[in-house]
Amino acid sequence: QVQLVESGGGVVRSGRSLRLSCAASGLAFSTKIMHWVRQAPGKGLEWLAFISHDGSTKMYADSVEGRFTISRDNSNNTLYLQMSTLRVDDTALYYCARENGDPGAFDVWGQGTMVTVSS
Amino acid sequence: QAGLTQPPSVSKDLRQTATVTCTGDNNNVGNQGAAWLQQHRGHPPKLLSHRNNNRPSGISERFSASRSGNTASLTINELQPEDEADYYCSAWDSSLNGWVFGGGTMVTVL
Repeated sequence: QVQLVESGGGVVRSGRSLRLSCAASGLAFSTKIMHWVRQAPGKGLEWLAFISHDGSTKMYADSVEGRFTISRDNSNNTLYLQMSTLRVDDTALYYCARENGDPGAFDVWGQGTMVTVSS
Repeated sequence: QAGLTQPPSVSKDLRQTATVTCTGDNNNVGNQGAAWLQQHRGHPPKLLSHRNNNRPSGISERFSASRSGNTASLTINELQPEDEADYYCSAWDSSLNGWVFGGGTMVTVL
């Protein structure tokens, strides 16, 4: 069964850091492009970060460039998002997602982990 | 990060046809097309269609996608109550060097 399970969310004060994890199973993780996407309460989807299958290439949205770092551990089938200097407007449900090779085709999603940043 | 433009809402009667549009530019939709995702309230998004109207296994044939120039469209035929959801387009943007989403369209079945 193909599955992504996010964890690590919670309530954190503005300016602090948090690391999210995404455990993958059933989807040949080490061969797949992965992303982080977030959704603020009542809002739309926002792409955050991309990592190539081997971790050699990473890309970030302007809104998180320099503050967030995406990484992966293929030996443990896990994707990470290290978030630092968190702001109140980073409050959102954070999803990890697999892209199937076609642009924008995010075909497997986790259930999300909620991050709330307080002032 | 600039996104793609979708209408905020579309409402149609049961069993009618709904069309959701997604307007971008030559750097995104006009270049490599768009994918479409469906999101029911409280659930993660689900991929409906990607490049050249490819539907993942299990997606109803009532959903079809197309593109004309810089505008992508998702057509939902024979609307059913379970089609009430938010719909998003997504694409790679070569000028932004990143992925972009539309703002989402809420489809209501009357």
